[in-house]
Amino acid sequence: GAVVSQHPSRVICKSGTSVKIECRSLDFQATTMFWYRQFPKQSLMLMATSNEGSKATYEQGVEKDKFLINHASLTLSTLTVTSAHPEDSSFYICSASHRNPEWDIHNEQFFGPGTRLTVL
Amino acid sequence: GEDVEQSLFLSVREGDSSVINCTYTDSSSTYLYWYKQEPGAGLQLLTYIFSNMDMKQDQRLTVLLNKKDKHLSLRIADTQTGDSAIYFCAESPGGGATNKLIFGTGTLLAVQP
Repeated sequence: GAVVSQHPSRVICKSGTSVKIECRSLDFQATTMFWYRQFPKQSLMLMATSNEGSKATYEQGVEKDKFLINHASLTLSTLTVTSAHPEDSSFYICSASHRNPEWDIHNEQFFGPGTRLTVL
Repeated sequence: GEDVEQSLFLSVREGDSSVINCTYTDSSSTYLYWYKQEPGAGLQLLTYIFSNMDMKQDQRLTVLLNKKDKHLSLRIADTQTGDSAIYFCAESPGGGATNKLIFGTGTLLAVQP
């Protein structure tokens, strides 16, 4: 199956600083990438959908100026949490998909391993 | 909007069958999915079902779909300790046109040896 990586896996930062999380599709070209956040013992909440070469589409309630998403290439999307605060501490997960008629599932999303962000 | 609902917790003995239930919201969802998440890890797609099917079996996994009631279930036969994880159902609203997934609240499966 397709592999998606995230870097870093864990990050601790001070309040007010910015943190960048990378999401890479390693063996396929991802036309669409998604960013989710997950609070402890809760479900994944979709933050935004990112298509290569265009602006991300943010879900209702997600501040686009706080969570900057860049999808500059078909294999890389980045999420930057700007001016991080303790309430931004969460598990951030990306996924990637590509329309490929040879694949079994239409628009299957492949998930990265997640990034644990802790803001002190 | 409405949530995709799941029971929070299920405990079974090793060797027994587990049944995890899900109530979804969008009747136009083309595919419905089951994902597994182990502690501190991302999501692994376990299985999926196309909306025009009632049942799908894949080795130890059986998915049942009741479109009328918007109810989805995952049965794991001969549950093993390695099956302990959080299980999420997910729907693709709007017929999959947007490629978005809406996840359920998750069910923690604990398998007792």
